[in-house]
Amino acid sequence: GAVVSQHPSRVICKSGTSVKIECRSLDFQATTMFWYRQFPKQSLMLMATSNEGSKATYEQGVEKDKFLINHASLTLSTLTVTSAHPEDSSFYICSAAGTSGLYNEQFFGPGTRLTVL
Amino acid sequence: AQRVTQPEKLLSVFKGAPVELKCNYSYSGSPELFWYVQYSRQRLQLLLRHISRESIKGFTADLNKGETSFHLKKPFAQEEDSAMYYCALSRNTGNQFYFGTGTSLTVIP
Repeated sequence: GAVVSQHPSRVICKSGTSVKIECRSLDFQATTMFWYRQFPKQSLMLMATSNEGSKATYEQGVEKDKFLINHASLTLSTLTVTSAHPEDSSFYICSAAGTSGLYNEQFFGPGTRLTVL
Repeated sequence: AQRVTQPEKLLSVFKGAPVELKCNYSYSGSPELFWYVQYSRQRLQLLLRHISRESIKGFTADLNKGETSFHLKKPFAQEEDSAMYYCALSRNTGNQFYFGTGTSLTVIP
């Protein structure tokens, strides 16, 4: 099946710094990638939809100036958490839209654990 | 707005017993429904989707539009089924997925 990677898998940073998380589709081209946030013992919350070569579409309540998304190529999308604060600490997961057989499917990355001190 | 509800956060069954994980949804259009599974320390992966009408690892799920439900069932639970299960909805336009809160299934040996 299709593989999606994320880097880094874990990051700890000081409050006020910016953190960049990369999401790559390794063996297929993904015109659309998605970013999710998952709080402990809670479900995945869709943050934004990232389309290659265009601006990301953010879900209601997600600050686009806080969470900068860039989808510069068909295999790479980045999420930058700007001026991170402790409340931004979370598990961030990306997925890439592709096809599996006849059907559309989302393939998920392993996630990035962000801890802001 | 779309919503996916999984009423059970935790579910425990004995090995060999039937298991049903509930999922209800609300959406005004015609959604696609999915079940995703996350085994311990692994990434989220697709288990099955309503449109393909498959049985994967002994699991089945039938979309009931009248009851707006998409419950996941397996007649005989196995220990390796212990995992976190998420029901998800995709709108008929676009690829966005909306997830339920998840059900943690534990199969007791």
